[in-house]
Amino acid sequence: AQTVTQSQPEMSVQEAETVTLSCTYDTSENNYYLFWYKQPPSRQMILVIRQEAYKQQNATENRFSVNFQKAAKSFSLKISDSQLGDTAMYFCAFMKPGDGNRKLIWGLGTSLAVNP
Amino acid sequence: GAGVSQTPSNKVTEKGKYVELRCDPISGHTALYWYRQSLGQGPEFLIYFQGTGAADDSGLPNDRFFAVRPEGSVSTLKIQRTERGDSAVYLCASSLRGPTDTQYFGPGTRLTVL
Repeated sequence: AQTVTQSQPEMSVQEAETVTLSCTYDTSENNYYLFWYKQPPSRQMILVIRQEAYKQQNATENRFSVNFQKAAKSFSLKISDSQLGDTAMYFCAFMKPGDGNRKLIWGLGTSLAVNP
Repeated sequence: GAGVSQTPSNKVTEKGKYVELRCDPISGHTALYWYRQSLGQGPEFLIYFQGTGAADDSGLPNDRFFAVRPEGSVSTLKIQRTERGDSAVYLCASSLRGPTDTQYFGPGTRLTVL
């Protein structure tokens, strides 16, 4: 069974600084997708970035980028130029594609506080 | 366009009562998922619909939980004889089946069982 581990329950960063959130996962699959979702106090789960395992190039979305290390089963999220609006819970999630259920398997989350 | 919506936003009920939670997916999305998120936890999968049928209900904790999606759009999660341990945020997500298949989430329903 697949598992996702986020080892940092809480983190904080100063506004405009850079922060990296860690995620490791365990799977025997070769093809899969990885996601980072952001959940602000409003509860709305918002997709931040996604990575296909077959792509070697790390995904980037504006200030958000990932460091995907497939052999190490590591998928960290880097937030550059942190903004107050980045304050939220961040969840790492794994999905195995295929014809069946594409459910997301989630880590426990990292609570990120961006301080002014 | 409109995103995934869920009603009610909050639901408070008494132990033993029956509740229904509603999810309106993004128009055209054939896949629909229900997750449950307890305080301080990541979401846990409950059930997956592809069209009208429940393709995988292996995450439902017991037979008090049931979900339907009769016309392949709106889905209702039904909980009978609620227990205090059912208190959680219930999240609904939908996706357009295909290579990208990103799940888009609603704001959730916070269920509190007194």
